[in-house]
Amino acid sequence: GDSVTQMEGPVTLSEEAFLTINCTYTATGYPSLFWYVQYPGEGLQLLLKATKADDKGSNKGFEATYRKETTSFHLEKGSVQVSDSAVYFCALPGGSYIPTFGRGTSLIVHP
Amino acid sequence: DVKVTQSSRYLVKRTGEKVFLECVQDMDHENMFWYRQDPGLGLRLIYFSYDVKMKEKGDIPEGYSVSREKKERFSLILESASTNQTSMYLCASSDRDRGLYTEAFFGQGTRLTVV
Repeated sequence: GDSVTQMEGPVTLSEEAFLTINCTYTATGYPSLFWYVQYPGEGLQLLLKATKADDKGSNKGFEATYRKETTSFHLEKGSVQVSDSAVYFCALPGGSYIPTFGRGTSLIVHP
Repeated sequence: DVKVTQSSRYLVKRTGEKVFLECVQDMDHENMFWYRQDPGLGLRLIYFSYDVKMKEKGDIPEGYSVSREKKERFSLILESASTNQTSMYLCASSDRDRGLYTEAFFGQGTRLTVV
Protein backbone atom coordinates (compact mmCIF):
# COMPACT_ATOMS: atom_id res chain seq x y z
CA GLY A 1 0.00 0.00 0.00
CA ASP A 2 0.88 3.66 -0.09
CA SER A 3 3.31 4.94 2.53
CA VAL A 4 5.33 7.99 3.47
CA THR A 5 8.59 8.03 5.39
CA GLN A 6 9.99 11.25 6.73
CA MET A 7 12.95 12.02 8.92
CA GLU A 8 12.40 11.95 12.64
CA GLY A 9 12.80 15.06 14.68
CA PRO A 10 13.08 17.24 16.40
CA VAL A 11 15.17 19.32 14.07
CA THR A 12 16.74 22.20 15.97
CA LEU A 13 18.21 25.13 14.06
CA SER A 14 19.34 28.67 14.63
CA GLU A 15 17.53 31.49 12.86
CA GLU A 16 18.68 31.97 9.24
CA ALA A 17 19.98 28.40 8.97
CA PHE A 18 19.20 26.19 5.97
CA LEU A 19 16.47 23.58 6.44
CA THR A 20 15.99 20.20 4.81
CA ILE A 21 13.38 17.69 5.90
CA ASN A 22 13.58 14.44 3.97
CA CYS A 23 10.52 12.62 2.68
CA THR A 24 10.27 9.48 0.56
CA TYR A 25 7.12 7.73 -0.55
CA THR A 26 5.68 4.55 -2.00
CA ALA A 27 2.59 4.99 -4.11
CA THR A 28 0.49 3.46 -6.83
CA GLY A 29 0.24 5.65 -9.88
CA TYR A 30 1.43 9.23 -9.93
CA PRO A 31 -0.37 11.08 -7.21
CA SER A 32 0.11 14.62 -6.07
CA LEU A 33 2.47 15.15 -3.15
CA PHE A 34 1.91 17.50 -0.25
CA TRP A 35 3.59 19.17 2.68
CA TYR A 36 1.39 20.28 5.56
CA VAL A 37 2.39 22.44 8.50
CA GLN A 38 0.92 22.38 12.01
CA TYR A 39 1.60 25.35 14.26
CA PRO A 40 1.32 24.79 18.03
CA GLY A 41 -2.24 24.11 19.14
CA GLU A 42 -3.62 24.24 15.61
CA GLY A 43 -4.81 21.86 12.92
CA LEU A 44 -2.83 21.04 9.81
CA GLN A 45 -2.77 23.39 6.88
CA LEU A 46 -1.45 22.83 3.40
CA LEU A 47 1.99 24.39 2.94
CA LEU A 48 2.72 23.39 -0.64
CA LYS A 49 2.00 20.73 -3.23
CA ALA A 50 3.24 19.30 -6.51
CA THR A 51 1.02 17.48 -8.95
CA LYS A 52 3.47 15.72 -11.28
CA ALA A 53 7.06 14.61 -11.64
CA ASP A 54 9.66 17.42 -11.65
CA ASP A 55 7.10 19.93 -10.40
CA LYS A 56 8.34 22.27 -7.70
CA GLY A 57 5.89 23.41 -5.07
CA SER A 58 6.69 26.57 -3.16
CA ASN A 59 5.15 28.78 -0.50
CA LYS A 60 6.40 31.09 2.27
CA GLY A 61 10.01 30.49 1.21
CA PHE A 62 9.66 26.70 1.41
CA GLU A 63 10.22 24.53 -1.64
CA ALA A 64 9.93 20.86 -2.53
CA THR A 65 10.50 19.08 -5.85
CA TYR A 66 8.61 15.97 -6.92
CA ARG A 67 11.36 13.44 -7.81
CA LYS A 68 9.88 10.34 -9.38
CA GLU A 69 13.23 8.64 -9.94
CA THR A 70 14.11 8.77 -6.24
CA THR A 71 10.48 8.78 -4.98
CA SER A 72 11.29 11.78 -2.86
CA PHE A 73 9.74 15.14 -1.97
CA HIS A 74 12.21 16.83 0.37
CA LEU A 75 11.23 20.12 1.99
CA GLU A 76 13.78 22.95 1.95
CA LYS A 77 14.06 26.53 3.09
CA GLY A 78 17.09 28.72 2.68
CA SER A 79 16.75 30.78 5.85
CA VAL A 80 14.42 29.71 8.64
CA GLN A 81 12.77 32.05 11.11
CA VAL A 82 11.56 31.52 14.66
CA SER A 83 8.01 31.70 13.31
CA ASP A 84 8.67 28.56 11.23
CA SER A 85 8.77 26.48 14.41
CA ALA A 86 6.06 23.87 13.82
CA VAL A 87 5.47 20.24 12.90
CA TYR A 88 5.76 19.39 9.20
CA PHE A 89 3.98 16.46 7.55
CA CYS A 90 4.69 14.95 4.16
CA ALA A 91 1.60 13.35 2.61
CA LEU A 92 0.01 11.50 -0.29
CA PRO A 93 -3.65 11.58 -1.31
CA GLY A 94 -3.57 7.86 -0.52
CA GLY A 95 -5.34 4.83 -1.93
CA SER A 96 -9.12 4.88 -1.85
CA TYR A 97 -8.85 8.61 -1.24
CA ILE A 98 -7.65 8.22 2.34
CA PRO A 99 -4.73 10.61 2.83
CA THR A 100 -1.46 8.99 3.88
CA PHE A 101 0.73 11.03 6.22
CA GLY A 102 4.27 10.72 7.45
CA ARG A 103 4.84 10.73 11.20
CA GLY A 104 5.64 14.43 11.24
CA THR A 105 8.90 16.26 11.89
CA SER A 106 9.09 18.87 14.61
CA LEU A 107 11.15 21.95 13.75
CA ILE A 108 12.45 24.21 16.51
CA VAL A 109 14.13 27.45 15.49
CA HIS A 110 16.10 29.41 18.08
CA PRO A 111 16.79 33.15 17.83
CA ASP B 1 -12.29 30.88 2.25
CA VAL B 2 -12.85 27.15 2.60
CA LYS B 3 -13.53 25.99 6.08
CA VAL B 4 -13.62 22.96 8.29
CA THR B 5 -14.92 23.90 11.69
CA GLN B 6 -14.75 21.81 14.83
CA SER B 7 -17.23 22.69 17.54
CA SER B 8 -14.75 23.05 20.41
CA ARG B 9 -11.08 23.91 20.78
CA TYR B 10 -10.84 22.50 24.29
CA LEU B 11 -13.01 20.01 26.16
CA VAL B 12 -12.73 18.50 29.61
CA LYS B 13 -14.94 15.48 30.31
CA ARG B 14 -15.27 12.94 33.07
CA THR B 15 -14.56 9.25 32.73
CA GLY B 16 -17.65 7.38 31.58
CA GLU B 17 -19.33 10.38 29.95
CA LYS B 18 -20.64 10.19 26.40
CA VAL B 19 -18.77 12.79 24.35
CA PHE B 20 -19.72 14.32 21.01
CA LEU B 21 -17.18 16.04 18.78
CA GLU B 22 -18.74 17.88 15.89
CA CYS B 23 -17.20 18.83 12.56
CA VAL B 24 -18.74 20.88 9.76
CA GLN B 25 -17.30 21.65 6.32
CA ASP B 26 -18.59 24.14 3.77
CA MET B 27 -16.87 22.79 0.65
CA ASP B 28 -19.44 20.15 -0.36
CA HIS B 29 -16.79 17.44 0.08
CA GLU B 30 -17.82 13.81 0.00
CA ASN B 31 -14.92 12.53 2.13
CA MET B 32 -14.60 13.31 5.82
CA PHE B 33 -12.14 11.93 8.35
CA TRP B 34 -11.48 11.82 12.07
CA TYR B 35 -7.91 11.48 13.34
CA ARG B 36 -6.34 11.52 16.73
CA GLN B 37 -2.87 12.88 17.28
CA ASP B 38 -0.60 11.86 20.12
CA PRO B 39 3.07 12.74 20.71
CA GLY B 40 5.37 10.39 18.82
CA LEU B 41 2.50 8.56 17.10
CA GLY B 42 1.64 10.94 14.30
CA LEU B 43 -1.90 11.03 12.93
CA ARG B 44 -4.01 7.92 13.40
CA LEU B 45 -7.23 7.46 11.48
CA ILE B 46 -10.24 6.64 13.64
CA TYR B 47 -13.10 6.63 11.12
CA PHE B 48 -13.84 8.05 7.72
CA SER B 49 -16.89 8.59 5.58
CA TYR B 50 -17.12 8.86 1.81
CA ASP B 51 -20.78 9.78 1.61
CA VAL B 52 -23.81 10.59 3.70
CA LYS B 53 -24.71 7.75 6.08
CA MET B 54 -21.59 5.83 4.99
CA LYS B 55 -18.78 5.12 7.41
CA GLU B 56 -15.68 2.97 7.46
CA LYS B 57 -13.38 2.03 10.31
CA GLY B 58 -9.90 3.38 10.30
CA ASP B 59 -6.88 2.10 12.18
CA ILE B 60 -8.11 2.68 15.74
CA PRO B 61 -11.94 2.61 15.88
CA GLU B 62 -12.28 0.91 19.27
CA GLY B 63 -14.17 3.05 21.76
CA TYR B 64 -15.48 5.41 19.09
CA SER B 65 -18.43 5.67 16.75
CA VAL B 66 -19.41 8.23 14.11
CA SER B 67 -22.47 9.72 12.53
CA ARG B 68 -22.95 11.38 9.18
CA GLU B 69 -26.57 12.34 8.67
CA LYS B 70 -25.80 15.32 6.44
CA LYS B 71 -23.05 15.79 3.89
CA GLU B 72 -21.49 18.73 5.66
CA ARG B 73 -21.41 17.28 9.17
CA PHE B 74 -19.39 14.40 10.61
CA SER B 75 -19.62 13.66 14.31
CA LEU B 76 -17.28 11.59 16.43
CA ILE B 77 -18.78 9.93 19.49
CA LEU B 78 -16.94 8.56 22.48
CA GLU B 79 -19.47 6.16 23.93
CA SER B 80 -17.90 6.06 27.39
CA ALA B 81 -14.89 8.33 27.70
CA SER B 82 -11.75 6.94 29.24
CA THR B 83 -8.52 8.62 30.28
CA ASN B 84 -6.62 6.94 27.42
CA GLN B 85 -8.78 8.91 25.01
CA THR B 86 -7.21 12.14 26.16
CA SER B 87 -5.78 13.47 22.93
CA MET B 88 -5.93 16.01 20.13
CA TYR B 89 -8.73 15.18 17.67
CA LEU B 90 -8.56 16.45 14.11
CA CYS B 91 -11.33 16.46 11.53
CA ALA B 92 -10.57 16.72 7.82
CA SER B 93 -12.39 16.66 4.51
CA SER B 94 -11.42 16.15 0.87
CA ASP B 95 -12.97 16.17 -2.57
CA ARG B 96 -13.45 12.58 -3.69
CA ASP B 97 -13.82 13.47 -7.36
CA ARG B 98 -10.27 14.81 -7.54
CA GLY B 99 -8.88 11.39 -6.68
CA LEU B 100 -5.08 11.31 -6.85
CA TYR B 101 -4.83 15.10 -6.77
CA THR B 102 -6.92 15.87 -3.77
CA GLU B 103 -5.59 17.55 -0.66
CA ALA B 104 -7.17 17.35 2.78
CA PHE B 105 -8.55 20.35 4.62
CA PHE B 106 -8.35 20.28 8.40
CA GLY B 107 -10.23 21.83 11.24
CA GLN B 108 -8.43 23.60 14.06
CA GLY B 109 -8.47 20.57 16.32
CA THR B 110 -10.15 19.71 19.62
CA ARG B 111 -7.95 19.10 22.62
CA LEU B 112 -9.91 16.62 24.74
CA THR B 113 -8.95 15.87 28.31
CA VAL B 114 -10.71 13.03 30.13
CA VAL B 115 -10.39 13.17 33.91
